Amino acid sequence: EAGVAQSPRYKIIEKRQSVAFWCNPISGHATLYWYQQILGQGPKLLIQFQNNGVVDDSQLPKDRFSAERLKGVDSTLKIQPAKLEDSAVYLCASSLSSGGYNEQFFGPGTRLTVL
Amino acid sequence: AQSVTQLDSQVPVFEEAPVELRCNYSSSVSVYLFWYVQYPNQGLQLLLKYLSGSTLVESINGFEAEFNKSQTSFHLRKPSVHISDTAEYFCAVSEKTGANNLFFGTGTRLTVIP
Repeated sequence: EAGVAQSPRYKIIEKRQSVAFWCNPISGHATLYWYQQILGQGPKLLIQFQNNGVVDDSQLPKDRFSAERLKGVDSTLKIQPAKLEDSAVYLCASSLSSGGYNEQFFGPGTRLTVL
Repeated sequence: AQSVTQLDSQVPVFEEAPVELRCNYSSSVSVYLFWYVQYPNQGLQLLLKYLSGSTLVESINGFEAEFNKSQTSFHLRKPSVHISDTAEYFCAVSEKTGANNLFFGTGTRLTVIP
């Protein structure tokens, strides 16, 4: 079974530029998550999708971050414009469905450096 | 609101020695509890989880964790560590009701010394 795929693995940009990350979840997984992991901290949820609908985006800085999950499969996370404090690893995860007992499977992450 | 506290940011231990990684949580509702591990240059992987039933849960590679409701703790233990256990370990909780958002602790870096 293929795992969660993410690209790119690394990205370096200047502040005020825009960037996009892509995630392909495990086939059949209805729930998809984006996390931000700042160095020295645990992952923090940015947004959760159930199929192609948003379940929770309360922690997403909506003035600069956006995310979509077209057709309930792949997802993209965009930052526009980027700030220095956006430097972090962006993790995508998926699970069969929502519900706290479901295991979340994580991708390898995208390491973003904003200069 | 939920929170997870991992008291030790780094734990060095000699090979074949026992180790305990501490995790305490706070929540106003019942929770599920998880330990995730992140090996160097790899993604997060589930190590073990407590959903219900026996308060002692085990992983396939010799780790165990015990849910202590009165102390709101879920400490991770292994009686004898191996070099390959060197990794970052994250404790996480999610509410039993509502969306299954995971709240993570800040992580503990376990370094096994030969």
